Amino acid sequence: DAMVIQNPRYQVTQFGKPVTLSCSQTLNHNVMYWYQQKSSQAPKLLFHYYDKDFNNEADTPDNFQSRRPNTSFCFLDIRSPGLGDAAMYLCATSRDTSVRGEQYFGPGTRLTVT
Amino acid sequence: GESVGLHLPTLSVQEGDNSIINCAYSNSASDYFIWYKQESGKGPQFIIDIRSNMDKRQGQRVTVLLNKTVKHLSLQIAATQPGDSAVYFCAETLISSGSARQLTFGSGTQLTVLP
Repeated sequence: DAMVIQNPRYQVTQFGKPVTLSCSQTLNHNVMYWYQQKSSQAPKLLFHYYDKDFNNEADTPDNFQSRRPNTSFCFLDIRSPGLGDAAMYLCATSRDTSVRGEQYFGPGTRLTVT
Repeated sequence: GESVGLHLPTLSVQEGDNSIINCAYSNSASDYFIWYKQESGKGPQFIIDIRSNMDKRQGQRVTVLLNKTVKHLSLQIAATQPGDSAVYFCAETLISSGSARQLTFGSGTQLTVLP
């Protein structure tokens, strides 16, 4: 059974046209993360939610926003996508009390900007 | 301008041989390390972890070795199979901080298993 679900798996948007990527989880984890992964590179953390508390990485562009309306869902909004934002976007979750700190990743959404 | 993808380090092994994938981590304060496997078009998948109070941990066909003196981590895969072909990332974090688990990923290694 899928634990971290991302929709859509592939998204095409036009330069400057806002786009929203979604993530849902069935694990009831408190923490949800969004990563950006460009070709042949490691995932780069954009931000995370610890329950309702939003934590932005210092180098995440303002163009990227996130919403978490409830425990299960988290959204990534790209307000004005540029060509450089084309990437795989990964959602992950973890338990806040987990000793192991393991993160569970979704399959990713591959974003193409035309 | 358009960004250019980096070339991942690559490792090619014959099916049935053992594989060793290496990783140098950056933060000497990190106390928890994870190896992830990422197949093409999929998200990273947890393989094995190790805490800094250990220097070796074994799983099914995999062993992780940690050398804190030189900040080096390795993943050994025994009897490598075609299904092991993927990109392998090491990740480090500090779990004693009490905050949410911030993972710092290494650059990744592309493992190709040859028939």
